[in-house]
Amino acid sequence: NAGVTQTPKFRVLKTGQSMTLLCAQDMNHEYMYWYRQDPGMGLRLIHYSVGEGTTAKGEVPDGYNVSRLKKQNFLLGLESAAPSQTSVYFCASSYPRDRRSGANVLTFGAGSRLTVL
Amino acid sequence: QKEVEQDPGPLSVPEGAIVSLNCTYSNSAFQYFMWYRQYSRKGPELLMYTYSSGNKEDGRFTAQVDKSSKYISLFIRDSQPSDSATYLCAIPRETGFQKLVFGTGTRLLVSP
Repeated sequence: NAGVTQTPKFRVLKTGQSMTLLCAQDMNHEYMYWYRQDPGMGLRLIHYSVGEGTTAKGEVPDGYNVSRLKKQNFLLGLESAAPSQTSVYFCASSYPRDRRSGANVLTFGAGSRLTVL
Repeated sequence: QKEVEQDPGPLSVPEGAIVSLNCTYSNSAFQYFMWYRQYSRKGPELLMYTYSSGNKEDGRFTAQVDKSSKYISLFIRDSQPSDSATYLCAIPRETGFQKLVFGTGTRLLVSP
């Protein structure tokens, strides 16, 4: 049981290049999320999905696109990378409600470190 | 005012100390509260959650909520070097689809 797997773990891009981050989960979770984590800013939600074929904007969606063609995968795309997108990106997944607590308990991946020069 | 505020630290303590980590929040409608722990170069993982006001204990960890003051705390008893991590409070912003609002995290260093 791998949980949430992110690829790649590290990437360096030049300004204007494009790339896709892949997230895969094997827990049959309905919900999936992409966050970015920056010093002093905490975790900020970029986009999320409440089911296969659905996506929605989070707090900081500009410059990113996402797709959820399969329930287990959630892709984050940068069409034209900018230095402001240098960050650590985390994918997470969850059930709508945790069966025991009723809360929205997220399982995170290990992160993808992106540097845009 | 940020929805959730947390002192970034670092907080340095000797092994065995009692640690107090805190968050303040602005929205009085928040109903339950979570603490995530994040080791260096890893993703956050859920440590504890608690509803409404009061305390919840799990081993060496106690989560406390004071809704009247909009203040949540995480206490760690008999702290260990393995507790060295960043601790993030997280609160759902709304009902229905519960978008979590995370604090910036407090970095804790426990020295042997």
